[in-house]
Amino acid sequence: DAGITQSPRHKVTETGTPVTLRCHQTENHRYMYWYRQDPGHGLRLIHYSYGVKDTDKGEVSDGYSVSRSKTEDFLLTLESATSSQTSVYFCAHHGESITGELFFGEGSRLTVL
Amino acid sequence: GQSLEQPSEVTAVEGAIVQINCTYQTSGFYGLSWYQQHDGGAPTFLSYNGLDGLEETGRFSSFLSRSDSYGYLLLQELQMKDSASYFCAPRGTNAGKSTFGDGTTLTVKP
Repeated sequence: DAGITQSPRHKVTETGTPVTLRCHQTENHRYMYWYRQDPGHGLRLIHYSYGVKDTDKGEVSDGYSVSRSKTEDFLLTLESATSSQTSVYFCAHHGESITGELFFGEGSRLTVL
Repeated sequence: GQSLEQPSEVTAVEGAIVQINCTYQTSGFYGLSWYQQHDGGAPTFLSYNGLDGLEETGRFSSFLSRSDSYGYLLLQELQMKDSASYFCAPRGTNAGKSTFGDGTTLTVKP
């Protein structure tokens, strides 16, 4: 159990609408990450956070914004969803282990029509 | 630039041994992780190599050669439940900024 709850788990929306995905954790993890995974491909980092109000861009941040107003919640927002943002979104954290093991949530499957 | 190569598909039979190779080119390399992902599921951590050599965890082993920018995952005594995608993920000092390739789909047949 990664200790992460993602919501919603599934969402279908239309092009141009705003969408917010929520990542909730109760274990006081400092480092949080949002990835997207397209069919048959690996994960690509969208945004990450080192703590409250401390966020930075990953490799595919265009069209996405994040917020972290409290430790427990890391929100990913698509201001105006496009069909190219149809994907599975994973939230993750890692602890202080030297391995840097990433723990992933169950994913949020987003379809933009 | 950064690049990552691993085979797209591997097929093996139950009880066999399979090796999934990974070659990488990445700046600021710190270590190599391996993740498993079953269809429709979340990735789960398998192994990490920070130093050259072999790391063994049960039926799974992982190897790293920094000088060759190469690593592999070795799966022994294959079971049907090992059918999944496997990702090598080179990382820098920030583990969350690991690079994930397109993965290797392993199919284990009876």
